[in-house]
Amino acid sequence: SQQGEEDPQALSIQEGENATMNCSYKTSINNLQWYRQNSGRGLVHLILIRSNEREKHSGRLRVTLDTSKKSSSLLITASRAADTASYFCATDRAGTYKYIFGTGTRLKVLA
Amino acid sequence: NAGVTQTPKFQVLKTGQSMTLQCAQDMNHEYMSWYRQDPGMGLRLIHYSVGAGITDQGEVPNGYNVSRSTTEDFPLRLLSAAPSQTSVYFCASSYPKGDGYTFGSGTRLTVV
Repeated sequence: SQQGEEDPQALSIQEGENATMNCSYKTSINNLQWYRQNSGRGLVHLILIRSNEREKHSGRLRVTLDTSKKSSSLLITASRAADTASYFCATDRAGTYKYIFGTGTRLKVLA
Repeated sequence: NAGVTQTPKFQVLKTGQSMTLQCAQDMNHEYMSWYRQDPGMGLRLIHYSVGAGITDQGEVPNGYNVSRSTTEDFPLRLLSAAPSQTSVYFCASSYPKGDGYTFGSGTRLTVV
């Protein structure tokens, strides 16, 4: 079964708007990561947030983590057409080295 | 640095055939993993390794074998290919507790 589940499954916004996608998971984790996948390509690591962190920024990306709710959100500010991609969260179950991915959010940014 | 290199990029197999998907990394990463990606299913972990000589099963290990004789290489063997193994396969590597996986570009496998 999937450890992480992203929400929404698909999101369509206008260029310049902000995009928010969420990830929920089931078990205790060491850290949570977000990845981007352009169509037909491999995944690219965006950001990692550890279980003792609540918020992290990288450029136009902002990630939050709420371990009490077992959830995370990824905010992309001032989106661009080039942000069109699928976004996945991945979590490692505490005490293991397994990284389990969610089913992803398909983001489409309209120019 | 080539990163993570997967070969072949495309492969068509007949049911019952066996083959090995190759994965090599030149970053001295200890952690390596194999995932398969099917439409609407996200990525599912097949097998992973935390170092040379150490491997373990992921979520969907049946029908696949792995070995890790060197830090650099982590081949995935399909023992007897089935149509259900038609998928895109990704290899990934990272440092222990590092800042995320580096992924290869994938192998698109079709079993007919």
